[in-house]
Amino acid sequence: DIQMTQSPSSLSASVGDRVTITCRASQNINNYLNWYQQKPGKAPKFVISTASSLQSGVPSRFSASGSGTDFTFTIASLQPEDFATYYCQQTYSTLRTFGQGTKVDVK
Amino acid sequence: EVHLVESGGGLVKPGGSLRLSCAGSGFTFSYYTMNWVRQAPGKGLEWVSSIGGSGEYIYYADSVKGRFTVSMDNDKNSLYLQMNSLSADDTAVYYCAREIGGSISDYWGQGTLVTVSS
Repeated sequence: DIQMTQSPSSLSASVGDRVTITCRASQNINNYLNWYQQKPGKAPKFVISTASSLQSGVPSRFSASGSGTDFTFTIASLQPEDFATYYCQQTYSTLRTFGQGTKVDVK
Repeated sequence: EVHLVESGGGLVKPGGSLRLSCAGSGFTFSYYTMNWVRQAPGKGLEWVSSIGGSGEYIYYADSVKGRFTVSMDNDKNSLYLQMNSLSADDTAVYYCAREIGGSISDYWGQGTLVTVSS
């Protein structure tokens, strides 16, 4: 199975900060990587895909890049509603796998 | 409007079985791949299984292969997960999710909690 490793596992930030999360795959996954946001007690919500760049309705402050094994998810200017846990998920393999998550909380 | 509702969770003893359901509305099941994803208490997301809209393919995570069976009834717009030989490691909230192009899970249910305990 393809292993996905996210870093950091948590970070503290303030509104307006630039936030970057990385995700590394154990093997080449081209650019088949999606990012999800989850708030406590809620279902995950799709944010952005590395393959498809910005999705309809996704705020422009979110961006994703990378290819092969190394990927980056960036929030250009953190907003109050962005405090949450973020997960990457590879969809290169039929056996989808998630990263372990990155919790973004208030500094 | 797309809506997914899971049901069937509850408390079950180790070694027991449970069948989860996911009822969909606002879209035609047979056009989409459907996924099951679970989340143990305080832990991250774990992909469990995927099934093609016509059942043309089915995939399982290694952790559940041979114990879990996914199926769907397109006439009822419903997805199922039969879970056998349950252990404490299967305790989690189970979500169903619709998958669209780019293998994006765009709609999720609210989840149903499965607790495996004696």
